Amino acid sequence: AQRVTQPEKLLSVFKGAPVELKCNYSYSGSPELFWYVQYSRQRLQLLLRHISRESIKGFTADLNKGETSFHLKKPFAQEEDSAMYYCALSSHNAGGTSYGKLTFGQGTILTVHP
Amino acid sequence: DAGVTQSPTHLIKTRGQHVTLRCSPISGHKSVSWYQQVLGQGPQFIFQYYEKEERGRGNFPDRFSARQFPNYSSELNVNALLLGDSALYLCASSLGDRTPYEQYFGPGTRLTVT
Repeated sequence: AQRVTQPEKLLSVFKGAPVELKCNYSYSGSPELFWYVQYSRQRLQLLLRHISRESIKGFTADLNKGETSFHLKKPFAQEEDSAMYYCALSSHNAGGTSYGKLTFGQGTILTVHP
Repeated sequence: DAGVTQSPTHLIKTRGQHVTLRCSPISGHKSVSWYQQVLGQGPQFIFQYYEKEERGRGNFPDRFSARQFPNYSSELNVNALLLGDSALYLCASSLGDRTPYEQYFGPGTRLTVT
């Protein structure tokens, strides 16, 4: 069975400091991983996915299959980055097709202080 | 486009009752997924429907059921409500049923069972 672990429930940093939100996963197949973000009073939305290898709002995440990790990083945090962040993994069926089922971690609340 | 819409916004039910939650996907989206989010936890997958067919089911009892209509809207039904069913129920829609298609989340329906 797949599992996503976000070890930090709360993370506080000061503006301009680097930030890293940790995500570890357990999955027997080839994973597809995502970071979702929920800003205050807004909907859950996709931040980035590992297959895109892109940087969104200055955030990047690298899939490390050896360490089964997908940590989210930003070199200089901004106050507007304060939000709840969820790491999620997509499952495959027996035939290897990846469907839309997402397994989420418990989330990390990031607070960026001025 | 208003995005994914869900109704009602809030709902209070008594143990043993039945509840129906509704979701309207973004226009053109054919896949709808349902998630349960208990306070302090990440969303947990319940169902995925694509083209009116069930594509995936999470680890939930048979009291939970869903369907998708020809216009791609969806209903989630929960019978014999328990206190533990109190949660935020999220609906997500996507163009297709595979993970390359981004899932767009609705605002959720807050269900309280007393």
